[in-house]
Amino acid sequence: NAGVTQTPKFQVLKTGQSMTLQCAQDMNHNSMYWYRQDPGMGLRLIYYSASEGTTDKGEVPNGYNVSRLNKREFSLRLESAAPSQTSVYFCASSSGWGSPLHFGNGTRLTVT
Amino acid sequence: GQQLNQSPQSMFIQEGEDVSMNCTSSSIFNTWLWYKQDPGEGPVLLIALYKAGELTSNGRLTAQFGITRKDSFLNISASIPSDVGIYFCAGRYGGSQGNLIFGKGTKLSVKP
Repeated sequence: NAGVTQTPKFQVLKTGQSMTLQCAQDMNHNSMYWYRQDPGMGLRLIYYSASEGTTDKGEVPNGYNVSRLNKREFSLRLESAAPSQTSVYFCASSSGWGSPLHFGNGTRLTVT
Repeated sequence: GQQLNQSPQSMFIQEGEDVSMNCTSSSIFNTWLWYKQDPGEGPVLLIALYKAGELTSNGRLTAQFGITRKDSFLNISASIPSDVGIYFCAGRYGGSQGNLIFGKGTKLSVKP
């Protein structure tokens, strides 16, 4: 039982390049989330999907797009990467409202 | 917006000592979660609290949901080297899936 799987683990991009971060969960959870973690800032919510077919903005959505591909998968896309998007990105899932989040092991992204 | 104040920011203690950390806010929360993050990994849920006044233990860890619903604390008894890591509190407010915010973390170091 892998839980929440994120790919890739590491990525280096040049400013202006695009990429998609992938996330899949095998816990049959309804809700999925994307967070970014920066030193001294804790975890900040980028986007979430309360259920398959819905997505909503979180605290810091600018510069990102998401797709809830199916119940298992939730991807995060950077259309034109900027140095300010250098961060560690975490995907998480939960069974529903009020349930704790389960996190993947993160994608460390550097934009030069 | 909602904010959580987590303290202390860091702790450096002797093995065997007890540890206490807390999160406070001016806002009311209906769920408190405590996570631990090891280097290079995602946060792992330690304890979830759902009712004001609730006191819950998980091994050597004890957490409480403050009676005012504006704070929570986490205690670790008889610390051991593997307790090293960053501890995060998270509070949920309102009815939306996106209404979960994280404290900035307490970094715990344990001297053998």
